[in-house]
Amino acid sequence: DVKVTQSSRYLVKRTGEKVFLECVQDMDHENMFWYRQDPGLGLRLIYFSYDVKMKEKGDIPEGYSVSREKKERFSLILESASTNQTSMYLCASALGIRGEELFFGSGTQLSVL
Amino acid sequence: AQKITQTQPGMFVQEKEAVTLDCTYDTSDQSYGLFWYKQPSSGEMIFLIYQGSYDEQNATEGRYSLNFQKARKSANLVISASQLGDSAMYFCAMRPVSGSARQLTFGSGTQLTVLP
Repeated sequence: DVKVTQSSRYLVKRTGEKVFLECVQDMDHENMFWYRQDPGLGLRLIYFSYDVKMKEKGDIPEGYSVSREKKERFSLILESASTNQTSMYLCASALGIRGEELFFGSGTQLSVL
Repeated sequence: AQKITQTQPGMFVQEKEAVTLDCTYDTSDQSYGLFWYKQPSSGEMIFLIYQGSYDEQNATEGRYSLNFQKARKSANLVISASQLGDSAMYFCAMRPVSGSARQLTFGSGTQLTVLP
């Protein structure tokens, strides 16, 4: 069974902390994505990666960075967390550049106090 | 540019009845794909159904069907014989057919509650 695993379901951090959100997929997918989900706004793309060490900005990259050192792992980094980054973060992967469907993890609900 | 509009923040349906979740879209692309995803309380988004803009027939997957009306730019999800397990958030999304998954645009979602 396909699997995208996010390391934490709930996370509470303080303003100014450096935060790492980890995502691992076991499907050998080239493409991986980080989305942010906020009520009334749906999902918005933060960053995506189409290969190891390759990344591109999505629609809302400000305040975030990413790392993809291995094909199966895609990390989202908040260099200095702020309260407006309190949100649900969803990781996804897709096979090929035109994957018909995305496979999602269960999400990480991040609260920045 | 693409835009997806889901005008129903919340919907209620009685168990075993059918329900339609609305989705309208706007795009300048000639060929595009429309998707529906389900997000239960566990958080994981689950792909439900896909419709290509040039598909002649409406897509169906089990109890899910997509009522695609190209002229009206609508792609409504119909769930027949609702079950309690259908209670979830539902998202409509689209992207150009020639585009990549990176170009997927999501609507704001509809929270469906199935009543016993």
